[in-house]
Parts: sequence; structure tokens; C-alpha cells
Amino acid sequence: EVQLVQSGAEVRNPGESLRISCEVSGSNFGSHFIAWVRQVPGKGLESLGLFYPGDFDAKYNPSFRLHVTFSADRSTNTAFLQWTSLQASDTAIYYCARQAHDGHHLDFWGQGTLVTVSP
Amino acid sequence: QSLLTQPPSASGTPGQSVTISCSGANSNIGRNSVNWYRQLPGTAPNLLIYSDNRRPSGVPDRFSGSKSGTSASLAISALQSEDEADYYCAVWSDALNGQIFGGGTKLTVL
Repeated sequence: EVQLVQSGAEVRNPGESLRISCEVSGSNFGSHFIAWVRQVPGKGLESLGLFYPGDFDAKYNPSFRLHVTFSADRSTNTAFLQWTSLQASDTAIYYCARQAHDGHHLDFWGQGTLVTVSP
Repeated sequence: QSLLTQPPSASGTPGQSVTISCSGANSNIGRNSVNWYRQLPGTAPNLLIYSDNRRPSGVPDRFSGSKSGTSASLAISALQSEDEADYYCAVWSDALNGQIFGGGTKLTVL
């Protein structure tokens, strides 16, 4: 059974850094893109981009390219989403999801990580 | 404002059928297949329909998708109380390196 398990909720001050994680099991970690999607509480879904653990290729939504970084540790089947300087507008739930081989749909999702940025 | 337009809300009574629309353009729905995701309250989204009209294993055949031109629809028959959720259409975007999501439709089962 494919599972994506994300790290717990985080609270940070503006300007601080943060890395959240997404551990994948039941799937060949190196052969699927991992998508990152955010949801501001009470709002809709927005794609941040994709990361391919097989060759560490990161593809960013241009709106987020300069603000977030994707990475992974293949030894632990874990993908990461990182900020070096958080802003209040980053407050949201962040989901990781596996992109299917046979299309661009996201077939398995993590449970989400709530990130709160507040002074 | 999303490039994919969904009605903000829809409703039906148990046993009824309901359809949720998703309107786009030649550059998105007209070019790529449509996926639908369901988000139950307080949970992560999950895949409901992919490639316009295909159901992942485990999704009942009460759920069906269709597409024509630059619009797509999700139909739910034999509505159940547990179908109360937010429903999102989505298509791939090369420019965004990810899915473009519709604004979502909140389905209420009366």
C-alpha cells in the first residue's frame, strides 16, 4: 500500500527558516514525481511544483521558484519542502502527493502539514 | 481567480444525482485531460476521476467524469451523506509545472 506520511504542524516567526518532510512507502521512491500543493485555510489548492527523486530534478511553479526549495533523501525515501525566510503569507496546509506514471494526476496524497507563520 | 471555473456550491438530497461543472479554455481543458479530486472535511484531497473519465480502483461507479471541448463535468448518482465534500477539477500545466486547480465546489447533501 502506497503511503505518504508528512511531518507535523509547525509554527514559525516571519523571517525564520523551515523544512517539512514527506516520507513515501510502498512505492519506488525514485521513479515517481512528488508534487507539492498548498492550501490556504478555507481556500483552494495551488501547485508549488514537482520533484523527481530519481535524478533530483526540481520543477517549480514560477510564482514560488525563488521562495521554496525541493529536495529529497533517497536513503530514507523522504522528500522535503524548505523555506529560508518565511512570510506570513506562507501560512497554509502543505500537501505532498505522488504523480502517477500514466498521466499527470496525483494518485496518492500525504495528510498535510499545517505551517503557521506569525509574529 | 482560477483559470478553471467551478460553481462554488452544489446540493442534493440522498438518492438524487448531481453534476458539477468545470469550465476552462482551449489552452487547458481543451489540450489536457481533466482530473477530479474530492476533499472530505478536515482531510487531504484524494483522486476521484483521472484522464477525463477513469476511476481509480476503489472509487464506486456512482462517480463519473466527462469532457467536451473546454468544459468537463463530474456526475454523482445515488447521492449519499458521506459525499459531502469539496470537489476540485484540475488539469496539467506545463507553465506551472503542476496541476491548475479549479476553485472548488462545496457539495452539500441536504
